[in-house]
Amino acid sequence: KAGVTQTPRYLIKTRGQQVTLSCSPISGHRSVSWYQQTPGQGLQFLFEYFSETQRNKGNFPGRFSGRQFSNSRSEMNVSTLELGDSALYLCASSLEVGVGNEQYFGPGTRLTVT
Amino acid sequence: GDSVTQMEGPVTLSEEAFLTINCTYTATGYPSLFWYVQYPGEGLQLLLKATKADDKGSNKGFEATYRKETTSFHLEKGSVQVSDSAVYFCALSDHSSYKLIFGSGTRLLVRP
Repeated sequence: KAGVTQTPRYLIKTRGQQVTLSCSPISGHRSVSWYQQTPGQGLQFLFEYFSETQRNKGNFPGRFSGRQFSNSRSEMNVSTLELGDSALYLCASSLEVGVGNEQYFGPGTRLTVT
Repeated sequence: GDSVTQMEGPVTLSEEAFLTINCTYTATGYPSLFWYVQYPGEGLQLLLKATKADDKGSNKGFEATYRKETTSFHLEKGSVQVSDSAVYFCALSDHSSYKLIFGSGTRLLVRP
């Protein structure tokens, strides 16, 4: 079974631009979560989708948004990019939503904002 | 709010040495606990998990026991290999939102 895939793997954008990142979960998984990883802040939760509905959102500004499609694929969008948005963005999928459910991560998209 | 604290790294060991990476947590209720590993240039891989007190998670020679009385989930391995060099993250699954809350990560370097 294929793992979580993320595209693109690397991205360079200019401050003020917007960007869309894509995530395809493991086949059969209905929950997709997004995390931001930076050297300074570590791993931080962005949001989580289940059956096309955003169930939870982390403490990020409204410039960060996402959505999930009927096939469980998910996209996240960052508008008006800032230098501080440079990070590794990780997508994780899980079969269901629950405390003990295992989340499986993709390789990430490395975003650099110049 | 819920949080996870890990020992500062880097941890440098010789091959075949014993490994312990400390992890403690603060949480309301009874979270599930996880260890993830990240190799250079890759995403996170689930290493092991435990869902209730006194559970022991194990995988690939790594072990961790959910200790409710000390709110700890220390990672151990009896004999490390060079290929174990990576960053290890302790995490808990928040009961109210199910999101993962991560520690800051501990870098392990194993020398031949």
